Amino acid sequence: AQSVSQHNHHVILSEAASLELGCNYSYGGTVNLFWYVQYPGQHLQLLLKYFSGDPLVKGIKGFEAEFIKSKFSFNLRKPSVQWSDTAEYFCAVTGPLSGAGSYQLTFGKGTKLSVIP
Amino acid sequence: EPEVTQTPSHQVTQMGQEVILRCVPISNHLYFYWYRQILGQKVEFLVSFYNNEISEKSEIFDDQFSVERPDGSNFTLKIRSTKLEDSAMYFCASSGEGGNQPQHFGDGTRLSIL
Repeated sequence: AQSVSQHNHHVILSEAASLELGCNYSYGGTVNLFWYVQYPGQHLQLLLKYFSGDPLVKGIKGFEAEFIKSKFSFNLRKPSVQWSDTAEYFCAVTGPLSGAGSYQLTFGKGTKLSVIP
Repeated sequence: EPEVTQTPSHQVTQMGQEVILRCVPISNHLYFYWYRQILGQKVEFLVSFYNNEISEKSEIFDDQFSVERPDGSNFTLKIRSTKLEDSAMYFCASSGEGGNQPQHFGDGTRLSIL
């Protein structure tokens, strides 16, 4: 079975600091990788995704993530965070579990990011 | 941008009662999902639905649970006889053609079982 680990439960940063949130997954086959963000009181929103190709993917709001297959990792980065980035961040994986028809997301536990102005 | 909508936003129910959570997926989407998140825990997959039938379900999705697409727009999750441990946030999601399309989530329904 797939599993996803996010190393940090809560990260506190000052504005303009750089951010890196760790994500490791266990599934050894072909995977699709996602980062979702949940702003306070809002629904999960897709930040970025990796399916294939360039392992460095760019998402919305200046976020990027790097897929390193040998490390089973998909870490999220942002060079300079803003107060408005305060949210919970979820790494998620899908793999073709049963052929066509469904790609359930397996989520990590989430990392709460607090950015101090 | 089209959204997935869920109702109600908060449902309080007595243990043993039936509850129906409703979702309106994005109109041209074909895959539908329910997830739940118990307070302080991971978001967990419950069930996926495609072509008017369940395509996958997790071990959480036992006989107490059922899903339905009663018309062309709604997608419902029914819990037949609720237990205290069913208290959680329930998220509906939908995605377009091709199973690896990103899933779009609703705001969730907070279910509180008393």
